[in-house]
Amino acid sequence: EAQVTQNPRYLITVTGKKLTVTCSQNMNHEYMSWYRQDPGLGLRQIYYSMNVEVTDKGDVPEGYKVSRKEKRNFPLILESPSPNQTSLYFCASSFGRSSYEQYFGPGTRLTVT
Amino acid sequence: DAKTTQPPSMDCAEGRAANLPCNHSTISGNEYVYWYRQIHSQGPQYIIHGLKNNETNEMASLIITEDRKSSTLILPHATLRDTAVYYCIPPSNTGKLIFGQGTTLQVKP
Repeated sequence: EAQVTQNPRYLITVTGKKLTVTCSQNMNHEYMSWYRQDPGLGLRQIYYSMNVEVTDKGDVPEGYKVSRKEKRNFPLILESPSPNQTSLYFCASSFGRSSYEQYFGPGTRLTVT
Repeated sequence: DAKTTQPPSMDCAEGRAANLPCNHSTISGNEYVYWYRQIHSQGPQYIIHGLKNNETNEMASLIITEDRKSSTLILPHATLRDTAVYYCIPPSNTGKLIFGQGTTLQVKP
């Protein structure tokens, strides 16, 4: 089944404790991205990647890192999480940046205390 | 980036057609408009896209005005499971999906 998976689905952590949210897709997609969703602010793009080893900042990249060493994986790294990074995070993938259909993961709900 | 405008909320009776409008007067002539929906904090789901002509797939129909300044997403027979936030999304050259506030569709029994 074609899908985007994220782990963990739920995470409660403390300020400053490094964490990684994994994202994996099984569709051989070149384009992957991360969004965060906050009440009243909607979904905003954090980072995106057009292919292996090619990443770029989205609208709200501060406090986040990403890597794209393999085509299928696009982890989101929070080196020193802060409470303002408490949010619902989504990973998405598509064949290319011009693809009309992007596939989203189920989301990761992160709480930083 | 181009912008879209949607009503914040709409109601629809179960079994009836839901017509969701979108204004996208800033989209240029060769740019698509995309529609996605998000069911209660799940990952957004692609519905349909269009350029000039009306489009239909198994989920919905998309009617685009001749001047391309607006479009209407039609769910022909809405069910309770269609209750969601519907987003009309303009194009971007980075692949970024620009989610506005969308239209919250409440399908009522």
